[in-house]
Amino acid sequence: DADVTQTPRNRITKTGKRIMLECSQTKGHDRMYWYRQDPGLGLRLIYYSFDVKDINKGEISDGYSVSRQAQAKFSLSLESAIPNQTALYFCATSDLRGTYNEQFFGPGTRLTVL
Amino acid sequence: DQQVKQNSPSLSVQEGRISILNCDYTNSMFDYFLWYKKYPAEGPTFLISISSIKDKNEDGRFTVFLNKSAKHLSLHIVPSQPGDSAVYFCAANQLYSGNTPLVFGKGTRLSVIA
Repeated sequence: DADVTQTPRNRITKTGKRIMLECSQTKGHDRMYWYRQDPGLGLRLIYYSFDVKDINKGEISDGYSVSRQAQAKFSLSLESAIPNQTALYFCATSDLRGTYNEQFFGPGTRLTVL
Repeated sequence: DQQVKQNSPSLSVQEGRISILNCDYTNSMFDYFLWYKKYPAEGPTFLISISSIKDKNEDGRFTVFLNKSAKHLSLHIVPSQPGDSAVYFCAANQLYSGNTPLVFGKGTRLSVIA
């Protein structure tokens, strides 16, 4: 079983709809992140959380909100989706005590906003 | 402004030859650097990292070189294999002074031609 799972894997929605992307992890990591990937723009950080009571904005948080429901769950919401939020979204986790400071990524959610 | 730059969007190399992927950074506070590899329809996976106290780290066919004075790092793959064809992301953060989230470059698409 995958350590970091994302649901749904693909989603097509319309402008103005509210969308939630969910992320779950079984790695026991305390830190979780949401990124989006756009062609030619790499991975950009939307929000991150260092523990259940800690939420921080990333580089491109406008139009997004997050909820850390438990150590293992971190969800990303688009309150009113717009076409330029069409992208590939990745959740990631890391361990404060990790040796290499690496982040472990989920398989991604492809979101299309029409 | 971009703190981590990968100026080559793509690179094509013959199988068996050396692949060299480059990365520049502007934030002198970065003290830890990582390379990630991404295949289509999958999340990025950690490949190799280097701390600012070193100038070289090797893991099998992969070697990362760090030139702190030039704020430049490179990933060498020798010999290159068709399975190395992927997008490679350079990332950096302040590990030893706050363990900040990773900042990613835009990626370089490597194609290894058989």
